Amino acid sequence: EPEVTQTPSHQVTQMGQEVILRCVPISNHLYFYWYRQILGQKVEFLVSFYNNEISEKSEIFDDQFSVERPDGSNFTLKIRSTKLEDSAMYFCASSDRAGEAVKYFGPGTRLTVT
Amino acid sequence: GESVGLHLPTLSVQEGDNSIINCAYSNSASDYFIWYKQESGKGPQFIIDIRSNMDKRQGQRVTVLLNKTVKHLSLQIAATQPGDSAVYFCAEMGAGGTSYGKLTFGQGTILTVHP
Repeated sequence: EPEVTQTPSHQVTQMGQEVILRCVPISNHLYFYWYRQILGQKVEFLVSFYNNEISEKSEIFDDQFSVERPDGSNFTLKIRSTKLEDSAMYFCASSDRAGEAVKYFGPGTRLTVT
Repeated sequence: GESVGLHLPTLSVQEGDNSIINCAYSNSASDYFIWYKQESGKGPQFIIDIRSNMDKRQGQRVTVLLNKTVKHLSLQIAATQPGDSAVYFCAEMGAGGTSYGKLTFGQGTILTVHP
């Protein structure tokens, strides 16, 4: 079974610091996503990425956030200056087609901002 | 705006019983719905999906029912097992199914299965 992987599993950072969350999507997939889940709350869409550009982003995904596919295998989410409210689980996902349910989520990175 | 929500936050059943998890949505233009299972410490796991041109779809031990008239969908799990214990989310993906993976999730229902 193919899987999306994410590193690190847990990241602790101080407020104002930059963090980069890393994801390796499934190898033949073309569409990549980041979602987040604040503890005890629902999963929220952040951004989708296709053909080396952002396809859609939510209101959460402001100028402090950026995504990048630096090579053929990694997909990263950068938060430039973390805030306490950025503490959450961040899930990467990928799919091989648009218009279908996102079926492959990674295990998540727990980000704790202190 | 769009919202997808759940009637019951928790559901407790005995092993072997059937479980029904409900979800309401508010956007009448929504036409693609998905159920996910999330176990503790893991990412969402796809269970089953349904488009608005159907009112029922079956998978292995699961059935999703869609009632567009009252904007309601449900997930039925047959012969529930302890391994089914998890949080279940319904989600909607962009009216017209054209959205690039932008899922709108509901709040989630915690399903607990007692042996």
